[in-house]
Amino acid sequence: GESVGLHLPTLSVQEGDNSIINCAYSNSASDYFIWYKQESGKGPQFIIDIRSNMDKRQGQRVTVLLNKTVKHLSLQIAATQPGDSAVYFCAEKPGSGGSNYKLTFGKGTLLTVNP
Amino acid sequence: DAGVIQSPRHEVTEMGQEVTLRCKPISGHNSLFWYRQTMMRGLELLIYFNNNVPIDDSGMPEDRFSAKMPNASFSTLKIQPSEPRDSAVYFCASSHSVYEQYFGPGTRLTVT
Repeated sequence: GESVGLHLPTLSVQEGDNSIINCAYSNSASDYFIWYKQESGKGPQFIIDIRSNMDKRQGQRVTVLLNKTVKHLSLQIAATQPGDSAVYFCAEKPGSGGSNYKLTFGKGTLLTVNP
Repeated sequence: DAGVIQSPRHEVTEMGQEVTLRCKPISGHNSLFWYRQTMMRGLELLIYFNNNVPIDDSGMPEDRFSAKMPNASFSTLKIQPSEPRDSAVYFCASSHSVYEQYFGPGTRLTVT
C-alpha cells in the first residue's frame, strides 16, 4: 500500500519579507539548540546555535530566540531570499549525562520563498 | 576545508546484496555519527563513535547493519543483506566537541 510520509509544516513567504520558523522541544534538560538548513539533495547545514543561558542570539540575517519557560525555539530570517528556500530543522541536546552528544532533531519546516 | 566526504552519493542495489557506505570526517574531529533520513521517520541517529570507538549503537536497526571506524579518517556503514525498507538517505556527520555536528552530502540508497 501507499506509505504515509511526514507532513512537514510549510511556510511560504515573499522575497524580501521576514520569516519566522518555530520549534517546540520536549526535554527541559536540553541546554543546547541548533538550527540546520537542508536544501534539496544536500546534507543539513549548520545555521546558528544557542545555549540555554541565553534567550537570543544573532547571526547574519538570522536570529534565534529561546523561551525555556514554554520550551520554544524560533528562527527569524530577515529579508528572505530565494536561496533560503529549504527545510529547516531544530535540534536539541541534553546538557549533561551519558547522552550529552546526542542531538534530537525536530521534524522540520519547509520554507518556500516566492520571487 | 573539504568538509565531510561520503561515497558513493547514490547506490542502487538489489535486495539481498551487501552495501557499504563510506565516510571521511573532517580532519581533527574526534566524533563521528551515522544518521538515516526517511520521510516516515525523519533523521535518526544510527551509531556514534568517539575517538574511533563505538559509544552508542542503540539506533542500529538490526544485526544486518554494522559500522566500523578503523582510524580517525575513515568509517564504513555496511548493510548485509540489504532489504527494500533500508532505502533512505544515509548521512555521516563529524564533530570536534559535543556541540555542532557537520554533515556530509549523504548517500541515497535504493534497494529494489
